[in-house]
Amino acid sequence: GAVVSQHPSWVICKSGTSVKIECRSLDFQATTMFWYRQFPKQSLMLMATSNEGSKATYEQGVEKDKFLINHASLTLSTLTVTSAHPEDSSFYICSARVGGSGNTIYFGEGSWLTVV
Amino acid sequence: AQKITQTQPGMFVQEKEAVTLDCTYDTSDQSYGLFWYKQPSSGEMIFLIYQGSYDEQNATEGRYSLNFQKARKSANLVISASQLGDSAMYFCAMREGAGGTSYGKLTFGQGTILTVHP
Repeated sequence: GAVVSQHPSWVICKSGTSVKIECRSLDFQATTMFWYRQFPKQSLMLMATSNEGSKATYEQGVEKDKFLINHASLTLSTLTVTSAHPEDSSFYICSARVGGSGNTIYFGEGSWLTVV
Repeated sequence: AQKITQTQPGMFVQEKEAVTLDCTYDTSDQSYGLFWYKQPSSGEMIFLIYQGSYDEQNATEGRYSLNFQKARKSANLVISASQLGDSAMYFCAMREGAGGTSYGKLTFGQGTILTVHP
């Protein structure tokens, strides 16, 4: 079964509203989680690194005030897309590293966001 | 400069045949890891195989093997005995470094769409 659970799988929201996506690690503690965005038929682009108990580190060009990331516990990171616009419609997917291992990285199921 | 390059936007293979998906990478780190993921139309990322930079032997996982040529900085995925269910997008990815708070972030290639014909 999935070791990283992401919710919701898909969401439709109205332009100007905010939407929250959750990423949970199951059966393990994830001090670090990663958020990626993927447009259709394109690659995954890292948006930010989420560290438990501290501020997220955003990649260049990603608006931190628009994409709010909170990693309040060792098993949960959330991505909130604020004041969503149609151009924010995309596939958002999270990943989590298991402990000190560099080769055990699990991905969530992903979330399809459509802003209308 | 691209850190991960997949030069094949699309590949076709006959069922039961083998296929090689190309991946080249660029890094100045001595310690790094290379991953291959399969992404079906549902979007989930399915881990296939991992190769560490210090691993001397090529990684294998069932029908998947990784042809790791360190000097050439290539990490090609070989799928043997292709099945119809192998049709999907395939991504090569790299993890750089050996620690730190961002340890585990991956850089992805552009992807290759594999189509398996019956």
